Amino acid sequence: EDQVTQSPEALRLQEGESSSLNCSYTVSGLRGLFWYRQDPGKGPEFLFTLYSAGEEKEKERLKATLTKKESFLHITAPKPEDSATYLCAVRSYNTDKLIFGTGTRLQVFP
Amino acid sequence: EADIYQTPRYLVIGTGKKITLECSQTMGHDKMYWYQQDPGMELHLIHYSYGVNSTEKGDLSSESTVSRIRTEHFPLTLESARPSHTSQYLCASSPNYGVGYGYTFGSGTRLTVV
Repeated sequence: EDQVTQSPEALRLQEGESSSLNCSYTVSGLRGLFWYRQDPGKGPEFLFTLYSAGEEKEKERLKATLTKKESFLHITAPKPEDSATYLCAVRSYNTDKLIFGTGTRLQVFP
Repeated sequence: EADIYQTPRYLVIGTGKKITLECSQTMGHDKMYWYQQDPGMELHLIHYSYGVNSTEKGDLSSESTVSRIRTEHFPLTLESARPSHTSQYLCASSPNYGVGYGYTFGSGTRLTVV
C-alpha cells in the first residue's frame, strides 16, 4: 500500500534559521513525488515535482531533494511569509491518484 | 490567480438538508478530483473523474455523489447532510498528459452541519 509520512508535524523557526522538512514514502513504483504549500483556509499550491533519486529542484528559499526512500524540503534563511503547512504527495504506477502525507506546519517568527 | 473555483467558501447548514458544492475550472483539464480534509489531517480522495460522464469513488468512503456532465464542472452533492459531514472539501484538476503536472486546487468549501 502506498504511504507517505511527514516529519516533524510542526516546526517553529526564527527568521533566517535554516532547516529541513522530511517526507518518507513507500510506493510500488514511483511516478512522481510532489511538494505543495497550503495556507490556512486555502487549497494546496503546487511547488515541485521530483521523479528520480538524486533529483533536486529549487524555488526562491526552497530546495527539494529526492532519494529512493525519502524527500527533503530545505528552507534557507526563512522569512515569516514562508509560514504555512507543507504537504508531500506521491503518485505510483499502480494508481494515477496522489496520496498525501499529513503535512508539516511551519511557523517562522521575526 | 485561481483557475479553479469553488463555491460557496463557507456553508453552515442544518441536519437533513440537501447541499451541492460547486467546482468549475477554466483550464480544459480532463481529470478532476474531490478531497476531504479535516483540520490537521491529510487530504483524503472521495471522488474523481477522468472526463465527461466518468466518475469513480475514491479511497475514503463518502455518502456524497458527484456528476460530470461538462468538462469544466464537477459538482458534489449531499442528499441529507449530517454533522459527521462537517469538514473542508477541496476540488482539484489536472491535465490528461504528463505525470509531472501537479494538481491545481481550488480554495475549498468549509462545510459545517449543525
